[in-house]
Amino acid sequence: KAGVTQTPRYLIKTRGQQVTLSCSPISGHRSVSWYQQTPGQGLQFLFEYFSETQRNKGNFPGRFSGRQFSNSRSEMNVSTLELGDSALYLCASSPGRQETQYFGPGTRLLVL
Amino acid sequence: SQKIEQNSEALNIQEGKTATLTCNYTNYSPAYLQWYRQDPGRGPVFLLLIRENEKEKRKERLKVTFDTTLKQSLFHITASQPADSATYLCALDEAAGNKLTFGGGTRVLVKP
Repeated sequence: KAGVTQTPRYLIKTRGQQVTLSCSPISGHRSVSWYQQTPGQGLQFLFEYFSETQRNKGNFPGRFSGRQFSNSRSEMNVSTLELGDSALYLCASSPGRQETQYFGPGTRLLVL
Repeated sequence: SQKIEQNSEALNIQEGKTATLTCNYTNYSPAYLQWYRQDPGRGPVFLLLIRENEKEKRKERLKVTFDTTLKQSLFHITASQPADSATYLCALDEAAGNKLTFGGGTRVLVKP
């Protein structure tokens, strides 16, 4: 099976812009979670979608949002970018609850 | 407050020896705990999952233990090899969903 794929792999934006990141889960996986990784804060949970519904949400401002499509593919959007949003954004998929999460390679976002 | 702590100091170990990593948590009642490996600039790779009712799990040269009384997990790499050099992350899910909380990771360097 193909692994989790994320696009784009690298992105440079300027403050105030918005960005959309995409994630395609492993075939058959219905749960998609998003994480932000920075040197200072480590890996932090953003949100999780299952069958097109947001099931869990982390402690991030409303500028961070996401959605999941009927084919389980997911997108996350960050509006009004700030310098502190520079990070590696990781997507993980899982067949269901309490099961292993498999991570994609990440999207490296740099905000200037 | 809730905390997950891993030794932030790098672990330098000689090839062939056993590396032992610690993950301690406070104010959590995790349903399960996972260990991941992460190489620089890449997404975490799943290694082992252990549930709250399991004491030990093994996979090839890897072993993880889970003591819910001590609130601690130990991760062992036996017969370590230079290719095992990476950062190892523990993560737990308290809500029985797919919302992982990660420790800060321990960097392991295996010297030939």
